[in-house]
Amino acid sequence: AQSVTQLDSQVPVFEEAPVELRCNYSSSVSVYLFWYVQYPNQGLQLLLKYLSGSTLVKGINGFEAEFNKSQTSFHLRKPSVHISDTAEYFCALNQAGTALIFGKGTTLSVSS
Amino acid sequence: DTGVSQDPRHKITKRGQNVTFRCDPISEHNRLYWYRQTLGQGPEFLTYFQNEAQLEKSRLLSDRFSAERPKGSFSTLEIQRTEQGDSAMYLCASNERESYNEQFFGPGTRLTVL
Repeated sequence: AQSVTQLDSQVPVFEEAPVELRCNYSSSVSVYLFWYVQYPNQGLQLLLKYLSGSTLVKGINGFEAEFNKSQTSFHLRKPSVHISDTAEYFCALNQAGTALIFGKGTTLSVSS
Repeated sequence: DTGVSQDPRHKITKRGQNVTFRCDPISEHNRLYWYRQTLGQGPEFLTYFQNEAQLEKSRLLSDRFSAERPKGSFSTLEIQRTEQGDSAMYLCASNERESYNEQFFGPGTRLTVL
């Protein structure tokens, strides 16, 4: 069975500080990995995705993530956060053409 | 490209009533997915369609739930005899064969069962 574990349910951080949101996954086959962001009362927006190739993936809004196969991790990072980054972040995986399996989410709270 | 749309955005109903939600995918997207998201949890897969064919259903989709995509365009999700445990956000997503790895999500329908 495949699963996604987001290690932190809440991450509080000050504006302009760096942040890392941690994601581990479990799968016996190769998968694609994703990070989505959800703002209050909205749907999910794709931040970035890892399909193959370079293990460092850059996404929108200055976010990046690193795929680590040996540690089965796909942590999300941003060097300097803004108030507007306050949202719920979801790590997810799938195989081509199948439904996404999501983690429980991490609430990022950015304060001034 | 107007994105995935869902209607209604909010629905309040009494226990035991039937409700129906609609999802309009991005035009020409042949795959359409339904997910359910409860408070404090990530979305959970319910079912998906390729064109009009329903290819997979999750065990979460009890007999009270039914989904259709009759012409391979919009889809409806009906819940019969609603229960308080059905209160959740229902999300729809779509994608096309050339980009099966990325799903585009709608804004969701928030259901509250009293």
